[in-house]
Amino acid sequence: DAGVIQSPRHEVTEMGQEVTLRCKPISGHDYLFWYRQTMMRGLELLIYFNNNVPIDDSGMPEDRFSAKMPNASFSTLKIQPSEPRDSAVYFCASSLYPLSHSDAGELFFGEGSRLTVL
Amino acid sequence: GQQLNQSPQSMFIQEGEDVSMNCTSSSIFNTWLWYKQDPGEGPVLLIALYKAGELTSNGRLTAQFGITRKDSFLNISASIPSDVGIYFCAGLDFNKFYFGSGTKLNVKP
Repeated sequence: DAGVIQSPRHEVTEMGQEVTLRCKPISGHDYLFWYRQTMMRGLELLIYFNNNVPIDDSGMPEDRFSAKMPNASFSTLKIQPSEPRDSAVYFCASSLYPLSHSDAGELFFGEGSRLTVL
Repeated sequence: GQQLNQSPQSMFIQEGEDVSMNCTSSSIFNTWLWYKQDPGEGPVLLIALYKAGELTSNGRLTAQFGITRKDSFLNISASIPSDVGIYFCAGLDFNKFYFGSGTKLNVKP
């Protein structure tokens, strides 16, 4: 079975450009999470979806960030306009269970999208 | 948000040695988790702990959920080169995971 698939793996862009990161969760997983990883702040939750509906977006840094999940097999994280401080590795993760479930720890992460904004 | 203090930040050990790392929090968590991240990969779950005092093993890995629910440790016995990576603790508080800053493990053959 394929894991969580993210694209692109690497992106280098210039400040002010729009960036779109993509994620395909594991089939059948109803929960999808977007995380950002930096040296300074570690792994931070940006937003998560349940059944394609955004449940908690309190981690989204600012209005330049937006995320959508148009269907159960696809999600995007968009940054417009991008800034150098957005440089990070962005992870998508999916889960079969809600976070209150005893198996909630089974978050399956993708390989990440490394974003560099010049 | 919640702060998880993970230590040590990094470790350099010889193959065959045992390793211990821990995580503390100022707040209570109902679930503690340990993940490992290999270079260029996403974190992978190693062990999940759901009850205060729980001690759980997964092969050479052993983890415990502290009685106070504010701490957890992970031990790796008889380390091997493939144990190299970054180990993260994570606490689950209601609907969010909070991750520690990671312990980078280096194993010399």
